[in-house]
Amino acid sequence: GENVEQHPSTLSVQEGDSAVIKCTYSDSASNYFPWYKQELGKGPQLIIDIRSNVGEKKDQRIAVTLNKTAKHFSLHITETQPEDSAVYFCAGYSSASKIIFGSGTRLSIRP
Amino acid sequence: EAGVTQFPSHSVIEKGQTVTLRCDPISGHDNLYWYRRVMGKEIKFLLHFVKESKQDESGMPNNRFLAERTGGTYSTLKVQPAELEDSGVYFCASSRDRGGIYGYTFGSGTRLTVV
Repeated sequence: GENVEQHPSTLSVQEGDSAVIKCTYSDSASNYFPWYKQELGKGPQLIIDIRSNVGEKKDQRIAVTLNKTAKHFSLHITETQPEDSAVYFCAGYSSASKIIFGSGTRLSIRP
Repeated sequence: EAGVTQFPSHSVIEKGQTVTLRCDPISGHDNLYWYRRVMGKEIKFLLHFVKESKQDESGMPNNRFLAERTGGTYSTLKVQPAELEDSGVYFCASSRDRGGIYGYTFGSGTRLTVV
C-alpha cells in the first residue's frame, strides 16, 4: 500500500544553523505533499506544501524540494530559532484520496 | 472561523471499558477524518467521512472501533471494549475538499490511555 518514510526520527541543531528532514514516498500517483508541525499539546498544523508540478517552494525560512523521479521530498529550515522546536511530519496525498503521514521528526534547537 | 474541536483532551480508562471521542469539524467542511498516533509512530489513517457517509474506513483496526457522523456535522469514535494497544493520540481533521488542494485542519487530539 501507500507508504511515506521519514528521516531522521530525531534531529538536534544549534540555533542559527539549518535543519533538513527527508522523506520518500511509494505512490507514484501522489501529487500533493504537505508538511505539518506539531507543538506540544497541539494538533499538527500545516506549515508548507508543494505540488507535483513544481520542484521547489519557499516561504521565509522554510523551503521544500520535490524530486518526482526519485520520489523524494525534503523540508529545509534555515536560521533555526527556539520556536522551531517541534515534531515535523511529512505527508503525501495518495491516489486513494487520503493523506498518508511519515513517522515524524522531533527537532530540537540548542541555544 | 473556529477550528476543529476535540474532546475530551485526555482520557484514562481501564481495559474492557468503553470510551467515546468527539470531534466538531470546521463549519461547512464536508470531509472529516480520524487519525491515530500510537507510541511515537506515524499518524495513521483510520477513516474518512464525506458528510454523513463513510467514504473510506480501511484504516479502522477492528470491529471494536465504531465511528459515526449523524447529520454530517460532528463525529464520534467509540472504542468498545478498549484494549491496552488502543492507547495513543486520536486526531480528527476536516477539509473543504478531499485534502489534495487545501490540506487538512487538525484538532488538538484526544490522548487515550488504556490501563
